[in-house]
Amino acid sequence: EDQVTQSPEALRLQEGESSSLNCSYTVSGLRGLFWYRQDPGKGPEFLFTLYSAGEEKEKERLKATLTKKESFLHITAPKPEDSATYLCAVGSTTSGTYKYIFGTGTRLKVLA
Amino acid sequence: DGGITQSPKYLFRKEGQNVTLSCEQNLNHDAMYWYRQDPGQGLRLIYYSQIVNDFQKGDIAEGYSVSREKKESFPLTVTSAQKNPTAFYLCASSIAGTGEETQYFGPGTRLLVL
Repeated sequence: EDQVTQSPEALRLQEGESSSLNCSYTVSGLRGLFWYRQDPGKGPEFLFTLYSAGEEKEKERLKATLTKKESFLHITAPKPEDSATYLCAVGSTTSGTYKYIFGTGTRLKVLA
Repeated sequence: DGGITQSPKYLFRKEGQNVTLSCEQNLNHDAMYWYRQDPGQGLRLIYYSQIVNDFQKGDIAEGYSVSREKKESFPLTVTSAQKNPTAFYLCASSIAGTGEETQYFGPGTRLLVL
């Protein structure tokens, strides 16, 4: 069964304390891996798309990487405004049917 | 500005009542989706449409209905058959729905039961 698991469920960091969020996946046919940021009461905001193992993308303090089994979202020197829930999703194909599978997210809190 | 709009932001449903959530996009995307988000759970797919006048059931379609009469619009009706409708509903769109292109989301509608 296709599955996406994110860890940890919640993370508290001091401002400037770098860390990584994990997204592990088991899918039959990976089409793409997507990272989103979601603030409370709002829709997810797109961050990155990764397509193949070894691929990396960066945006300000965020860097996403992809292997054959997992993706990491690295946060360097975070600030309080980085506090949000980070969602990972995988696009997959099975028997000609395409679907997106979402993880349950990591709730990040950055303390000043 | 291109994007996805959802209305209303909050919606209240009475027992036995059908309610409709609006979703409009001006991104010229072919594919549109409806998800339900509950605390502690990942987004769950209700319905999706890859082309006008065609749509498919997702993982939790029971108690919901949709239509896709225009490319820009994909309204979701929560029927009285949905016994636990309280949730945050998200509409999304993507270029074609092949699993490899990015989905973009609207701001969401929170549905509450009176």
